[in-house]
Amino acid sequence: ETGVTQTPRHLVMGMTNKKSLKCEQHLGHNAMYWYKQSAKKPLELMFVYSLEERVENNSVPSRFSPECPNSSHLFLHLHTLQPEDSALYLCASSQDEGALGGYGYTFGSGTRLTVV
Amino acid sequence: GNSVTQMEGPVTLSEEAFLTINCTYTATGYPSLFWYVQYPGEGLQLLLKATKADDKGSNKGFEATYRKETTSFHLEKGSVQVSDSAVYFCALSFLTGGGNKLTFGTGTQLKVEL
Repeated sequence: ETGVTQTPRHLVMGMTNKKSLKCEQHLGHNAMYWYKQSAKKPLELMFVYSLEERVENNSVPSRFSPECPNSSHLFLHLHTLQPEDSALYLCASSQDEGALGGYGYTFGSGTRLTVV
Repeated sequence: GNSVTQMEGPVTLSEEAFLTINCTYTATGYPSLFWYVQYPGEGLQLLLKATKADDKGSNKGFEATYRKETTSFHLEKGSVQVSDSAVYFCALSFLTGGGNKLTFGTGTQLKVEL
């Protein structure tokens, strides 16, 4: 399988639940990202991992906890979420290069999360 | 800081009409520029890109030219189809020591009707 795969595609969880979103890439990329896409809002960058190290955390609440065990896998652990956290969560990967590059991101199809 | 500005949508066109979605950017230096497309219920897909001034990216009948003088990267298509209905995102990127940072515009929704 190629590209970026996200599971599950849809998730409904209660505010007291704990769940995890999974992202997997088979492109040989060394950077991975989590984005949140809410209705009528710009894409929000949540976390950036480069070479398995977290390099950016854009003031995301602690109820979201990322994990990057290796360069092919990225998780987003969720606990005690709020209804306003309902959104499409997108994972992406890219190749970091030392020189200027034309490398964009390859996105997964996203996980549609609904918090009830 | 770096930013991308897109025309607001939704843009509604009849099938076979000509499409332009404007995109301008603000950046220090010369970024790479991208257009992404998001079909309903899906993630973003790379549509086309350009890495230096005067480059033209093209794919699936869509084109965009990197204009350094006007800091623009407008998306065009000569004849749209109903299947082109989607949200289109303009983006720029710089490579930094901390990763390949992609800055997106807010997206422009395109609706194509028969």
